[in-house]
Amino acid sequence: GAVVSQHPSRVICKSGTSVKIECRSLDFQATTMFWYRQFPKKSLMLMATSNEGSKATYEQGVEKDKFLINHASLTLSTLTVTSAHPEDSSFYICSATKRGLASTDTQYFGPGTRLTVL
Amino acid sequence: DQQVKQNSPSLSVQEGRISILNCDYTNSMFDYFLWYKKYPAEGPTFLISISSIKDKNEDGRFTVFLNKSAKHLSLHIVPSQPGDSAVYFCAASGTGGTSYGKLTFGQGTILTVHP
Repeated sequence: GAVVSQHPSRVICKSGTSVKIECRSLDFQATTMFWYRQFPKKSLMLMATSNEGSKATYEQGVEKDKFLINHASLTLSTLTVTSAHPEDSSFYICSATKRGLASTDTQYFGPGTRLTVL
Repeated sequence: DQQVKQNSPSLSVQEGRISILNCDYTNSMFDYFLWYKKYPAEGPTFLISISSIKDKNEDGRFTVFLNKSAKHLSLHIVPSQPGDSAVYFCAASGTGGTSYGKLTFGQGTILTVHP
């Protein structure tokens, strides 16, 4: 299988601060990483697509200045929630696809990060 | 606009019986479909997928059926086991253009398998 990790698993911060979440593919190189957000009892909503070495592509309605994404290497992508507010509290999940497979790449998901903004 | 819909929020099944989870989609550009299993506070785990060129894919106790004309797919689990209890998400993607690789998820169905 393919392992994707996220750090931290849980974070509580004060309103106005910034929080960085890391997503790592542990045993494979990821051409593309995706960031999702899940509200309680709701579906996973794609926030952005992150390709190594290039700018992330954000979905409609997602503020790129608020949710900064950096994909510095083939095994690491980071999501920074800037000037966090209570409405940013959510479960953030990343996923990664392997390099070199067919177009129907399977996405492997990280365990998620629970962000609570006080 | 919910392009992938799982209309049953929950399903309860007896151990040993068949579990059938349903999913409908509206976007005719979707051509690859996946099922994921998710436990609370964890990321989804890939279960099984199907390409639009097929109508059935089987992997052990899990079988996915695709009816393209009806834009409907289903996941069959047989026999169901208590360890199958989780939230099941249906997801779809299109392999063309800007939709490449992007997954659109349904709302999820909570499956409970009773011993």
